[in-house]
Amino acid sequence: GDSVTQMEGPVTLSEEAFLTINCTYTATGYPSLFWYVQYPGEGLQLLLKATKADDKGSNKGFEATYRKETTSFHLEKGSVQVSDSAVYFCALSDLAGNMLTFGGGTRLMVKP
Amino acid sequence: NAGVTQTPKFRVLKTGQSMTLLCAQDMNHEYMYWYRQDPGMGLRLIHYSVGEGTTAKGEVPDGYNVSRLKKQNFLLGLESAAPSQTSVYFCASSYPMDRFTYEQYFGPGTRLTVT
Repeated sequence: GDSVTQMEGPVTLSEEAFLTINCTYTATGYPSLFWYVQYPGEGLQLLLKATKADDKGSNKGFEATYRKETTSFHLEKGSVQVSDSAVYFCALSDLAGNMLTFGGGTRLMVKP
Repeated sequence: NAGVTQTPKFRVLKTGQSMTLLCAQDMNHEYMYWYRQDPGMGLRLIHYSVGEGTTAKGEVPDGYNVSRLKKQNFLLGLESAAPSQTSVYFCASSYPMDRFTYEQYFGPGTRLTVT
């Protein structure tokens, strides 16, 4: 079945550092890929998405590129802020588009 | 527009007790989902619904039942709670962004502890 693997956290960075959170997937066909973010005490929010190979999703300074050849969707940000501290989840959708498979989540802690 | 709301926010149960978690959405979404979140395991799908009056099993349905009598509500029931059901429960609803992609909207979660 489909699966998503993320790097384990926590990831601790200083403010303005560069962020990379790795995500790889196994799936049938060509799923859509997502990054969701969960701030403390809240539910998940969609951060960005990509629906086909070589697509780049971006939002709030975060980017991720759909790499079919390496089955990866790594999340990057050039300069993190304390307010980016959260748990980040990589996910993929099934072929119908309405079911998500999530990775285990990566906690990011940004220190001033 | 409240989005997705969940009731209650916190609950402590004793083993063997029953309870119902309520999820409500005001966005007229057809699809609704119940997930549980456990440390290091991401979110796992318990049950889902593709429309009013329909339900289906997800990845981890055992010990749970659901009902979708109204389009805007999706109830999750625990008939006889067990300590293994201690978790954070999230409800979500979704709509199609395009032909092949749905965006899911999540509620704030219910933290359940079974002692």
